[in-house]
Amino acid sequence: KNEVEQSPQNLTAQEGEFITINCSYSVGISALHWLQQHPGGGIVSLFMLSSGKKKHGRLIATINIQEKHSSLHITASHPRDSAVYICAVSRFSGGGADGLTFGKGTHLIIQP
Amino acid sequence: NAGVMQNPRHLVRRRGQEARLRCSPMKGHSHVYWYRQLPEEGLKFMVYLQKENIIDESGMPKERFSAEFPKEGPSILRIQQVVRGDSAAYFCASSLDPYNEQFFGPGTRLTVL
Repeated sequence: KNEVEQSPQNLTAQEGEFITINCSYSVGISALHWLQQHPGGGIVSLFMLSSGKKKHGRLIATINIQEKHSSLHITASHPRDSAVYICAVSRFSGGGADGLTFGKGTHLIIQP
Repeated sequence: NAGVMQNPRHLVRRRGQEARLRCSPMKGHSHVYWYRQLPEEGLKFMVYLQKENIIDESGMPKERFSAEFPKEGPSILRIQQVVRGDSAAYFCASSLDPYNEQFFGPGTRLTVL
């Protein structure tokens, strides 16, 4: 079983729909990250959170530490939101946070 | 303030050659992470470096791969005697300290013929 699990693996929705992507993890973490990757493109960090909720524009990320679960929401989705969304976790080691451990990603397509 | 820079963006090598991938972190960042994304697979951690020190190399293959982050200049990921299975996108990320957000470079796409 992977340490970071995302669902769904693929998601196709219509423009304007409310989108939810889920992430569950099985290890102790110092922080959880949501990343965005466009096809053939680089990786953009959307959120880093260790508790509660963060909002940036139409994107909202929440985390429940007790349940080891996080969600990424997109309101009023748009075709330009089409991308792979990746959940990743960082864990503390003796010298600080380790490198990230990644989920397999959610392929999101927003149709006009 | 330039972001994380990687070069080359695309690199083609024949089997048995060496590949050198460079990463210049964001200004002021002294923590560098290298990740690999194999075709149709997720991202995997390779190595975490601070200036002149390797902090964690638990994700590095035991042979042919090495990484450094000298006092001056970029971080280098070196792959000796490349094989077709090394074909992948290699991303580096940098952070101000281990507790802060990581910023990713555009990646180097390595193709081994």
